[in-house]
Amino acid sequence: RKEVEQDPGPFNVPEGATVAFNCTYSNSASQSFFWYRQDCRKEPKLLMSVYSSGNEDGRFTAQLNRASQYISLLIRDSKLSDSATYLCVVNAGNNRKLIWGLGTSLAVNP
Amino acid sequence: DGGITQSPKYLFRKEGQNVTLSCEQNLNHDAMYWYRQDPGQGLRLIYYSQIVNDFQKGDIAEGYSVSREKKESFPLTVTSAQKNPTAFYLCASIGQGAIGQPQHFGDGTRLSIL
Repeated sequence: RKEVEQDPGPFNVPEGATVAFNCTYSNSASQSFFWYRQDCRKEPKLLMSVYSSGNEDGRFTAQLNRASQYISLLIRDSKLSDSATYLCVVNAGNNRKLIWGLGTSLAVNP
Repeated sequence: DGGITQSPKYLFRKEGQNVTLSCEQNLNHDAMYWYRQDPGQGLRLIYYSQIVNDFQKGDIAEGYSVSREKKESFPLTVTSAQKNPTAFYLCASIGQGAIGQPQHFGDGTRLSIL
């Protein structure tokens, strides 16, 4: 089993749709979790950290399920500008080495 | 403004040549990382350093070398032993404090073979 797994997609959705991505991780000792977005030929940029109680930032909601070892990202009211690759990142236990998923590609269509 | 600066933005390597990619940060971050990303692929860890004068191999260290003589700087050398160096190279750093800090990235360097 890969350390961090994501559905590569692509997810093609119309503007205004709600879309959700899941990411599973294998290391039960992982303590920190993040979602990044990466635009084509650019560096990844932090979208949001994921907290145990779940957290929301505008149209984006992140959740953590430790029992099932997955995190999720929900995007409401999708915009064209949300088109990107969304990367799930998990720390490798108690150090600062981060494990990156391969990303989920999202295309929001007019 | 604080940030991570990678240079050059584009780099071309001749056969048998070593090239060095620069990464400088003024964020006072302890830990620095080098990743390689191939088209349509995820990030793969080459080397990382948690403190000055110490670094560890990542998942694909063969053909690469690093140094960490100063906190601000973590240069990556792509040696001639790396037979397929064409990729997008990303440098990142993490601040001090408890586990849970996200990584910050430079703009990246695109390396190609001539």
